[in-house]
Parts: sequence; C-alpha cells; structure tokens
Amino acid sequence: QLQLQESGPGLVKPSETLSLTCTVSGDSISNTFYYWGWIRQPPGKGLEWIGNIYHSGSTYYNPSLKSRVTISIDTSKNQFSLKLSSVTAADTAVYYCGGEHYYRSKNYYQIYGMDVWGQGTTVTVSS
Amino acid sequence: DIQLTQSPSFLSASVGDRVTITCRASQGISSYLVWYQQKPGKAPNLLIYGASTLQSGVPSRFSGSGSGTEFTLTISSLQPEDFATYYCQQLHTYPRTFGQGTKLEIK
Repeated sequence: QLQLQESGPGLVKPSETLSLTCTVSGDSISNTFYYWGWIRQPPGKGLEWIGNIYHSGSTYYNPSLKSRVTISIDTSKNQFSLKLSSVTAADTAVYYCGGEHYYRSKNYYQIYGMDVWGQGTTVTVSS
Repeated sequence: DIQLTQSPSFLSASVGDRVTITCRASQGISSYLVWYQQKPGKAPNLLIYGASTLQSGVPSRFSGSGSGTEFTLTISSLQPEDFATYYCQQLHTYPRTFGQGTKLEIK
C-alpha cells in the first residue's frame, strides 16, 4: 500500500527558504502511475495547488508561486521535495504531499485525482 | 487559469437530508473533475473522479454528475460522518485549481 510522509522544519524565518521532503513507501516512485505533487492550506482557508513533478523530472507549477518554487525528485531515495524561497507570513500553512493517480496506455488515458496523501505538516513563517 | 466556483460556500443540513453541491468551471473541462472530502485536521480524501465515478471504498450515497462547465456532488442521505468540507478540483489543465470549498454543517 502506497504511503507518503512529509518531513522538514516546522518554523521558517521570513525571507528564508522553506524545504520539505516527501518520502514514498510501498512502491517505487518511478514505477507507479503517479504525478507527485504538493498542496498547501493556510489556516482556516481552502486548498492551494503548488505543483507536480513526474518521475521523469518534468515539473508544473502554480503561476502565482512559480518564481519561488522548485520541486525535485530523488528516485534513489524514493523521495520528492519542495523548496519555496523568500517566504513571508502568507506562506504559513499545512503542506501536503500527494500522488495524483493516472493510467495511460496506447489508446486510453484516465486521471483519477490525488488518491494518496501525506498526513500534512504545519509550517509557520515567523521570526 | 481555470476558475472553479462552488456553491453554496456553507450548507446547514440534518442527518437523512439529501444535499447537492455545485461546482462551475470558467471554461470547459470535459469530465476532468474530482471531488474531495476534508475533515478537520486531516488530509483531503478522494470521493469521485471523472466527474461521476465513485472512488473505491466510498459509500454509494455519494454521487457526482456533470461535464463541461457544470458539476454536482450529491449526498443522498446525510450521515453524521459526512459533515465536513468538500472541494472540487479540475485536472483538465495546468495549473490544477480547486474550488473554494463547501462547508457542510449539522443543522
């Protein structure tokens, strides 16, 4: 059974870089039909999509964060990571990693949505 | 970006009620829409994909419909465990976007 676990500092100073890692267990990060992604949720607010990465390394980012976001993948460690630079208090949120499941064959494509999530990690931006 | 607008934002209902939540897309997204349920302090849980297909393990009282720009999530008979916040998300195009959420509360 696929499981995800976020890790990283819970407190980041303003103007610094937020760094989180998501460890995938239960299958190889390269062998599954998943787009790996990050989503955040500010306190009391809704869900915000940050970005996705494919096991090939291709990335897609939220344009509102694109200049500050980097998502990378380390297949040898079965992990993918998020870096968000120049953080402010507005970046305070619960950060979730997740897997967006899809299936592709020669004549068929289906995308199922994010059916596996980490439990979330709270990141506070404060001096 | 594709904007998703959910209505209502808040919904008060009783156990046993039938409720419907609407999600409207700013442009056509075929059936590339999913619904999540989120309870306080927990990660979202996928309920429906492809606008109308129930995710494995999700009770049959949940159903989804729609295509193009208008979608609905219906709970046929509310159970106590259904009081939560519901989000739609489009998977048609990058960037992925979510609706603002619908909080379903007990009347």
